[in-house]
Amino acid sequence: DIVMTQTPLSSPVTLGQPASISCRSSQSLVQSDGNTYLSWLQQRPGQPPRLLIYKISNRFSGVPDRFSGSGAGTDFTLKISRVEAEDVGVYYCMQAKQFPLTFGGGTKVEIK
Amino acid sequence: EVQLLESGGDLVQPGGSLRLSCSASGFTFISYAMTWVRQAPGKGLEWVSTISGSGSSTYYADSVKGRFTISRDNSKNTLYLQLNSLRSEDTAVYYCAPYDRSMSYWGQGTLVTVSS
Repeated sequence: DIVMTQTPLSSPVTLGQPASISCRSSQSLVQSDGNTYLSWLQQRPGQPPRLLIYKISNRFSGVPDRFSGSGAGTDFTLKISRVEAEDVGVYYCMQAKQFPLTFGGGTKVEIK
Repeated sequence: EVQLLESGGDLVQPGGSLRLSCSASGFTFISYAMTWVRQAPGKGLEWVSTISGSGSSTYYADSVKGRFTISRDNSKNTLYLQLNSLRSEDTAVYYCAPYDRSMSYWGQGTLVTVSS
């Protein structure tokens, strides 16, 4: 199974300041078709998860451009350029290269 | 607008059974594989099972293999998850989502509580 490791566990951020979350996979996520199936999900308190980013860096419909994804191979990053109050929640990375699909343990973004 | 409505969650005793449903609308159901993901109280996300659009291929997490069965009725745009031999560690909110190598849309989930 591919293990997804996220850091940090928690990220206290000042409103308007940037935030960065790292995700590392235990093996390369590059698929034979050339795509890398790494997604980022946001889960606000009391809400279901919501897709933010797919295939490393593609923002899903309706996702603000302050969210960006980058990386390659086994190392990936989600950045929030300027944190807003509505960004509070837990963020997960997820790999879909192979079954079983696996998620990172989550990073809690909170306001200082 | 894509809508996913999970139902069927309940309080059940250890060893019991339950069937979850996910009613989908707003997209071409048969064109998408579908996935169940669960979240235990206060915990992270755990993939449970995926079924292909036709229903011919299914995949399961080791933790549920042999106990849970995923199925779909494309004529009703509905996804199912049969949960048997339930354990306390199956207590979670169960979400359904269309799967295309990402999970673009999620339902609100249905709560399964396994307790005596």
